[in-house]
Amino acid sequence: AQKVTQAQTEISVVEKEDVTLDCVYETRDTTYYLFWYKQPPSGELVFLIRRNSFDEQNEISGRYSWNFQKSTSSFNFTITASQVVDSAVYFCALSEPDFGNQFYFGTGTSLTVIP
Amino acid sequence: EAQVTQNPRYLITVTGKKLTVTCSQNMNHEYMSWYRQDPGLGLRQIYYSMNVEVTDKGDVPEGYKVSRKEKRNFPLILESPSPNQTSLYFCASSLLAGRGNQPQHFGDGTRLSIL
Repeated sequence: AQKVTQAQTEISVVEKEDVTLDCVYETRDTTYYLFWYKQPPSGELVFLIRRNSFDEQNEISGRYSWNFQKSTSSFNFTITASQVVDSAVYFCALSEPDFGNQFYFGTGTSLTVIP
Repeated sequence: EAQVTQNPRYLITVTGKKLTVTCSQNMNHEYMSWYRQDPGLGLRQIYYSMNVEVTDKGDVPEGYKVSRKEKRNFPLILESPSPNQTSLYFCASSLLAGRGNQPQHFGDGTRLSIL
């Protein structure tokens, strides 16, 4: 079974629209860590955010915001007023410290922002 | 400059010819990891290491070997490469703070083609 599910394979939005990328996870750990990474067309992987399971506060960083809901095992990512530079593949990931610190990535969501 | 360095960046080789992809980090990170990225499958962890002489299998270890003789280096070895190992490979490293992973720093990737 997939530990991290990103059901949206591809999303296209017009510039300045808001867009939410979904991430649903499955874990047997009580303490775990969730991450989002961005992979622009140039191919490098860029860290965006890390959240531990005890911190359910939503976070905002500029145009980016994250909504963590333990009750639904979701860690969704919203980009407000999208820009062409946001076009990339976005990955959600899970780490379970009590089970060896293995990392699980989702299959990624490819976001295209149309000018 | 803090970085994870992978070599080579590109390699085309033939089935059965042993190859090694090197990975080195200069950040004194305990945790190092190898991933492969394939279309539609996201990043899948091959092997990871939480410290010198400690290695663990990830989700797709078959056909690969690793070693961690020094903290900074974590080479990926394909003893007898096959075409299904054609992929984009990433090495990553991170601190282990307390029990959990800090954000991973990724290398630039190695594109391997096995003919």
